[in-house]
Amino acid sequence: DGGITQSPKYLFRKEGQNVTLSCEQNLNHDAMYWYRQDPGQGLRLIYYSQIVNDFQKGDIAEGYSVSREKKESFPLTVTSAQKNPTAFYLCASSIRGDQPQHFGDGTRLSIL
Amino acid sequence: QKEVEQDPGPLSVPEGAIVSLNCTYSNSAFQYFMWYRQYSRKGPELLMYTYSSGNKEDGRFTAQVDKSSKYISLFIRDSQPSDSATYLCAMSGDNYGQNFVFGPGTRLSVLP
Repeated sequence: DGGITQSPKYLFRKEGQNVTLSCEQNLNHDAMYWYRQDPGQGLRLIYYSQIVNDFQKGDIAEGYSVSREKKESFPLTVTSAQKNPTAFYLCASSIRGDQPQHFGDGTRLSIL
Repeated sequence: QKEVEQDPGPLSVPEGAIVSLNCTYSNSAFQYFMWYRQYSRKGPELLMYTYSSGNKEDGRFTAQVDKSSKYISLFIRDSQPSDSATYLCAMSGDNYGQNFVFGPGTRLSVLP
């Protein structure tokens, strides 16, 4: 089955710790995205990548970092600089930037 | 003015009702229009996808785009309790991920 896999489903971070959220897709899509969703809120774009080895900051990139070394993978690191990391994180991909995005089932990050 | 505005909700309707969900936008460059459905604790799933103005029907769902008024709608006929979810409109206009915009979402409850 083609799709997007996010792991883990739940993640807990200690103060001062960096954590990495995994996103893998087997849809052969060029573009990949990371969003943050807070309770009752819409989607806010963190980073996006149109092609391997290239990525751009979204609206709320501070405290986050990404890499795109392979077409299938777009991991997101939440660094200790992100002071309010508790949220639902969604990864998406699309054939190209203007086409519909397909989402994974998210990772819920909480602070210990 | 926000780039995309959506009826804030929440919206509660009885089972079997016709539901109308609406978005307005300001960027005349948008050409692709989408509706997503998001169940609680899940990623959004693509429901409808249309290009430019016009109507598109898929089962109980009809998407309508009026580019002259910068207005899009999603109609749900014979609504079911399983339609209870948050509905997000989305639109895009070029090949760059930064110009893919989501509305904030409308929460719908269909009561048995």
